[in-house]
Amino acid sequence: LAKTTQPISMDSYEGQEVNITCSHNNIATNDYITWYQQFPSQGPRFIIQGYKTKVTNEVASLFIPADRKSSTLSLPRVSLSDTAVYYCLVGPGLIGGNTPLVFGKGTRLSVIA
Amino acid sequence: GAVVSQHPSWVICKSGTSVKIECRSLDFQATTMFWYRQFPKQSLMLMATSNEGSKATYEQGVEKDKFLINHASLTLSTLTVTSAHPEDSSFYICSARDPGVLSDTQYFGPGTRLTVL
Repeated sequence: LAKTTQPISMDSYEGQEVNITCSHNNIATNDYITWYQQFPSQGPRFIIQGYKTKVTNEVASLFIPADRKSSTLSLPRVSLSDTAVYYCLVGPGLIGGNTPLVFGKGTRLSVIA
Repeated sequence: GAVVSQHPSWVICKSGTSVKIECRSLDFQATTMFWYRQFPKQSLMLMATSNEGSKATYEQGVEKDKFLINHASLTLSTLTVTSAHPEDSSFYICSARDPGVLSDTQYFGPGTRLTVL
């Protein structure tokens, strides 16, 4: 599975847009990019998944450049409740499937009032 | 979406005792379940992959005789920490695979906090 690199931590004020970038230089042709959110003492929660270009859902947007060597998770107008750890994962196929998800260190986002 | 539950949500035990943690898929049949461990301020680390009706596959460095995994049905997998010691205190999380018709997805349980005194 492709290794990912993310910033260890980020701070943001409420109402701002937050962009978290993940590097995955060794991404394979059949790899998808998936982002999870984890609150303290809870299991990870799926946020968004994409293969190329841009994906948007009710929670976030995912931007993937043409070379797919990086991706950016964009959280619009964050609130205090968005304070969490965000994980970028790269792996074959759709969300997980029969392949165990390998988590990197993640990015600890702190939203400040 | 699909729901995965874990029981108990937290447990405190004495050193040397065994603790069983259950992972259930509530509204789907999970052919594969995964067990993770997470220490404070650290990421999730995969411990083992459990397939219904067969032996679990353990990651390197995880003692299979200490962390017993049983996946006896399509909706239940159990992790038993045998002869627990304080260094086994951690947050244990399972995920279950739903090989649905429209998508093949993993769902995570809420986790179980184990504290060994």
